[in-house]
Amino acid sequence: AQSVTQLGSHVSVSEGALVLLRCNYSSSVPPYLFWYVQYPNQGLQLLLKYTTGATLVKGINGFEAEFKKSETSFHLTKPSAHMSDAAEYFCAGGKGGGADGLTFGKGTHLIIQP
Amino acid sequence: DGGITQSPKYLFRKEGQNVTLSCEQNLNHDAMYWYRQDPGQGLRLIYYSQIVNDFQKGDIAEGYSVSREKKESFPLTVTSAQKNPTAFYLCASSIYPLMGEMYNEQFFGPGTRLTVL
Repeated sequence: AQSVTQLGSHVSVSEGALVLLRCNYSSSVPPYLFWYVQYPNQGLQLLLKYTTGATLVKGINGFEAEFKKSETSFHLTKPSAHMSDAAEYFCAGGKGGGADGLTFGKGTHLIIQP
Repeated sequence: DGGITQSPKYLFRKEGQNVTLSCEQNLNHDAMYWYRQDPGQGLRLIYYSQIVNDFQKGDIAEGYSVSREKKESFPLTVTSAQKNPTAFYLCASSIYPLMGEMYNEQFFGPGTRLTVL
């Protein structure tokens, strides 16, 4: 079955520390992967996407993600956390061909400690 | 400014009532989507439409209906058959993938929070 799994429903880091949010996808998910961020009571904003080509993808707000096919992973990182990074983060993958919609992970709530 | 609008932002419904959530986009996107978000559940696909006058069921279509009479509009009706409709509903749109591509990113509206009283 197609699935995207995010490890850890909550992640807490100190301001200035490394942020690492984990995402694994099932091999049946086409290798089109996305990270979105959601602030409270708002819609989702695209952070970055992987389609084909370079495995290290840079996104907005200093985030980046590395696509590792051998590990079926697409983890999100940021070298130095900022208080404004506190939000819900979703990893998503394509469901199939064309414009069939996305399969989302359950989300990771990122908490930034001062 | 181009974007996706959803209305209303908050909606209250009595049990047994049908309600319709509005979604409009001026991005000239071909495809539109409805997702439902519950705490700790991520987003689940309800319906999607790749072209006017055509739509497909997603993973949790039971108790919902949609129409796509215009390219820019994709309203969602939550019917009385939906047993647990209280949730945050998100509408999204994307351009149709060009030849050789499979996906383009989806752009999301601000959401509608539906509460059943």
